[in-house]
Amino acid sequence: QVQLVESGGGVVQPGRSLRLSCAASGFTFSNHAMQWVRQAPGRGLEWVAVISDDGSSNYYADSVKGRFTISRDSAKNTVFLQMNSLRPEDTAMYYCARDPLRWGEKTGGLYNWFDPWGQGTLVTVSS
Amino acid sequence: DIQMTQSPSSLSASVGDRVTITCRASQSISLYLNWYQQKPGKAPKLLMYVVSSLQSGVPSRFSGSGSGTEFTLTITSLQPEDFATYYCQQSYTTPYTFGQGTKLEI
Repeated sequence: QVQLVESGGGVVQPGRSLRLSCAASGFTFSNHAMQWVRQAPGRGLEWVAVISDDGSSNYYADSVKGRFTISRDSAKNTVFLQMNSLRPEDTAMYYCARDPLRWGEKTGGLYNWFDPWGQGTLVTVSS
Repeated sequence: DIQMTQSPSSLSASVGDRVTITCRASQSISLYLNWYQQKPGKAPKLLMYVVSSLQSGVPSRFSGSGSGTEFTLTITSLQPEDFATYYCQQSYTTPYTFGQGTKLEI
């Protein structure tokens, strides 16, 4: 069955780095864009980043632009989120999700949604 | 960025009730509107896409409507498993944005 499994979360000091991974299985990974979404404790969902099917296109929320980098390894069916210069406000559960489309950045065009989602990995930024 | 606003933020209801959640977009998003359900401690799950298309396995008591800037999620005959938080999301353009959520409580 289609499955996404995140890993790599933990407790990290402000200013440090962390790399999250999302291992995909049960579908043709190279046919799908992939998303990262986060949720601060007790808060709503915040979209973080998207990467296209071939990794050539990515797009970020303003809140993480210049600090986070999304990438993917098709040989390992894994998408990554490299998080640098972490701040306390980055504390959240981080989810990866599959996009039915291949694209990264978009306006209009084909419809897309996030399904399925992984179980999430918790990142806590604290001194 | 397109802002998504849900109302109400929380809602108390009983098993068997009919409830409606509203989602408004700050600009027209045509039909690029999805709904997700999240239960405590769990990842969100896709409930409905393109306004009114039910994800596989979602009961028919869930329905969606709207276009442009105003959308609704309706649940008829609430069941115990429906008590959760619901989020709308626009997929018209990146950055994708979510509503703040509506917590449906017993």
